[in-house]
Amino acid sequence: GAVVSQHPSRVICKSGTSVKIECRSLDFQATTMFWYRQFPKQSLMLMATSNEGSKATYEQGVEKDKFLINHASLTLSTLTVTSAHPEDSSFYICSASRLAGAYEQYFGPGTRLTVT
Amino acid sequence: ILNVEQSPQSLHVQEGDSTNFTCSFPSSNFYALHWYRWETAKSPEALFVMTLNGDEKKKGRISATLNTKEGYSYLYIKGSQPEDSATYLCAFGTGNQFYFGTGTSLTVIP
Repeated sequence: GAVVSQHPSRVICKSGTSVKIECRSLDFQATTMFWYRQFPKQSLMLMATSNEGSKATYEQGVEKDKFLINHASLTLSTLTVTSAHPEDSSFYICSASRLAGAYEQYFGPGTRLTVT
Repeated sequence: ILNVEQSPQSLHVQEGDSTNFTCSFPSSNFYALHWYRWETAKSPEALFVMTLNGDEKKKGRISATLNTKEGYSYLYIKGSQPEDSATYLCAFGTGNQFYFGTGTSLTVIP
């Protein structure tokens, strides 16, 4: 149980275009979902927390207009990187929790984004 | 930002060897410490959640201990096998978010 999928696993896009990444909880309802970003040789850094039906809470330094997060249902959250630039190239990974808050997190496999 | 450190960054061991690595975290305002096992191209897999000082948890050949007063946790693997090769992540949980270390990359050589 507690399986989270993420799609796509890899994406290459041109600078200036937008990319959408989906995160789905397959066998449970996710009250809270989290989006992380990981640069090479660094730790997973939280970008934002979203609760179903509410606006996402973004961490300091994360541009909410650039990284649009939608958590419209209890099994799906999406992250859209708008007007992507090469510096947005990174590894993005989501996690989901059955509970409100961060007491448990089940992770997707991540998405490698390359912006050319 | 809370500082969570893991050491070593990577290690190579022979099949059958036992090994251990460390996660250091702030000793104040402790809530929970999480260990994950992360294989390439897969989802991080939750191993342990530890909440009490002195906690010891075990799952097969893998075990973990927790010292909240001094701010560290050890992960032990007994009799390492090639399938144990992965990155082991720890995360300090506050109830609102997790703060991750950079992981220890373990390679078990057959």
